[in-house]
Amino acid sequence: GQNIDQPTEMTATEGAIVQINCTYQTSGFNGLFWYQQHAGEAPTFLSYNVLDGLEEKGRFSSFLSRSKGYSYLLLKELQMKDSASYLCAVRDLYSGGGADGLTFGKGTHLIIQP
Amino acid sequence: DGGITQSPKYLFRKEGQNVTLSCEQNLNHDAMYWYRQDPGQGLRLIYYSQIVNDFQKGDIAEGYSVSREKKESFPLTVTSAQKNPTAFYLCASSEGRSNQPQHFGDGTRLSIL
Repeated sequence: GQNIDQPTEMTATEGAIVQINCTYQTSGFNGLFWYQQHAGEAPTFLSYNVLDGLEEKGRFSSFLSRSKGYSYLLLKELQMKDSASYLCAVRDLYSGGGADGLTFGKGTHLIIQP
Repeated sequence: DGGITQSPKYLFRKEGQNVTLSCEQNLNHDAMYWYRQDPGQGLRLIYYSQIVNDFQKGDIAEGYSVSREKKESFPLTVTSAQKNPTAFYLCASSEGRSNQPQHFGDGTRLSIL
């Protein structure tokens, strides 16, 4: 099976930077995704990592270390609208869900304060 | 615009009743998925389908059933056998290639009367 861990909740200040960590254990790692989910809404895709290193997309960046089973999502210049849950999801060749199957962590609830 | 449509947004079920949640996509995606989300929990996979007329059980399939008669449609039935159906249900689809994300519908919130 898989085990994906992320902090339950984090608080940050508007305009600041926050890093949300995700650790995972998997037997056939084949990619890691980050999603943003506002309360009661659909998760929306933020980033994808399959090789080690940093992927940057505007204010959001995501990092992966496959040897450490570790990823983080970095949010810069925080805005109030960034208050949401951030879901880490891992694709494993040997887990259920088919070729595109994902296993999700429980999500990190990010609170942005003025 | 292409996307995934789930309906209804809110649904109420009486004891002993089956209810069906609709999921339609016009993204021409081969793969479709149903997840259940409970407060403080991650998304848990109920069923998935990689191609028309084929579907597989996920981690929590008991008390649920699906069909995939058309590429665009993947309805989920919550049967009376599902004793704790109150949850937020999310449908997703993907192209079927491992470097592509899953795209989600807006969800259906199911409650028990």
